[in-house]
Amino acid sequence: KAGVTQTPRYLIKTRGQQVTLSCSPISGHRSVSWYQQTPGQGLQFLFEYFSETQRNKGNFPGRFSGRQFSNSRSEMNVSTLELGDSALYLCASSFDREASPLHFGNGTRLTVT
Amino acid sequence: GQQVMQIPQYQHVQEGEDFTTYCNSSTTLSNIQWYKQRPGGHPVFLIQLVKSGEVKKQKRLTFQFGEAKKNSSLHITATQTTDVGTYFCAGRTGSARQLTFGSGTQLTVLP
Repeated sequence: KAGVTQTPRYLIKTRGQQVTLSCSPISGHRSVSWYQQTPGQGLQFLFEYFSETQRNKGNFPGRFSGRQFSNSRSEMNVSTLELGDSALYLCASSFDREASPLHFGNGTRLTVT
Repeated sequence: GQQVMQIPQYQHVQEGEDFTTYCNSSTTLSNIQWYKQRPGGHPVFLIQLVKSGEVKKQKRLTFQFGEAKKNSSLHITATQTTDVGTYFCAGRTGSARQLTFGSGTQLTVLP
């Protein structure tokens, strides 16, 4: 069974630009969550999607958005990038929203210059 | 909102010594999960605890869920260099359902 696939693996962007990250969950998983990981802040929850609907949103500004498609693939978008957005963005999929473990992708390393 | 605190933030041990990380939540959890992230890698699921007072073992790892379902611990007996990494707890409340991660404990094992 293929794991969670995130593309691209690395991105370098300039302040003010926007970026779109992609996540393909494990086949059969309907829940996709996004996390931002930085050395000082650990894993910060961005949002969770289930059956194409955003179910939960973390405490991030509106520049961070996402969506989920009918095939459960998900994208997240960050507009008007700031230096502080440099981080590892992790996507995780799970079978359901109740008690299933999260399966993480390798992440997208975003650097904003 | 729900907060999950984890201590210590860092732990250096000599190979063969024991290690424990503690997780505390501000609210009652419906379940708690533990993950391990190796340097340069992504978090990998270790185990889930659901019942009050539950104890589960995986070889040298022992996981506990508190009676009040607000705290949990992970204990590693006789650490090995393969145990190096950051250990995260993650708790889920019944209402929000989102998984909130603790800040993690970074374990270094000195040979």
